[in-house]
Amino acid sequence: EDQVTQSPEALRLQEGESSSLNCSYTVSGLRGLFWYRQDPGKGPEFLFTLYSAGEEKEKERLKATLTKKESFLHITAPKPEDSATYLCAVENPGGGADGLTFGKGTHLIIQP
Amino acid sequence: NAGVTQTPKFQVLKTGQSMTLQCAQDMNHNSMYWYRQDPGMGLRLIYYSASEGTTDKGEVPNGYNVSRLNKREFSLRLESAAPSQTSVYFCASSEASGRGSPLHFGNGTRLTVT
Repeated sequence: EDQVTQSPEALRLQEGESSSLNCSYTVSGLRGLFWYRQDPGKGPEFLFTLYSAGEEKEKERLKATLTKKESFLHITAPKPEDSATYLCAVENPGGGADGLTFGKGTHLIIQP
Repeated sequence: NAGVTQTPKFQVLKTGQSMTLQCAQDMNHNSMYWYRQDPGMGLRLIYYSASEGTTDKGEVPNGYNVSRLNKREFSLRLESAAPSQTSVYFCASSEASGRGSPLHFGNGTRLTVT
């Protein structure tokens, strides 16, 4: 059973058209939820960590929010350079050193 | 500051051949990880090393072995490559000093097994 489910799988937006990406999770006792950006041919790049429901974090045009069951990555007035695959992950329960479990990602395309 | 460096960047193997993927980090991180990324499957953990001297299996360890050579280096070995091991392999590291330590990734090794 998937612990982390991302939707939609792919999203195509016009430049300036705001939207949200969803990450739902089923782990109990969430220790940390992470958002990453991945460009083609590159490794994932860390964006945010969220710890508890109600928490929000922002970076440029991106804002991540967290509830008890899901997280959203809001993209405001996106630009073509925001095109990438966005990955959500939850911390594995083994105390912080045993890695993350990732969702399959949302492939975002911003058209000029 | 290079971060996480993986070698080689690309590799083609024939079925049954062996190879070792190398990974080094210069951030003085305690924990290191090997993931594979396949279309439609996402990133899956192969092995991890919580600290120097320890290694543990992840979600998909079959067909792989690892060595934590020192605090900086963590290698992944395929003893007898199979076409199912065609994938992109990512190494990552983390301070793992407590809750919420992010992973920092290298840029991957693209492996094709024919």
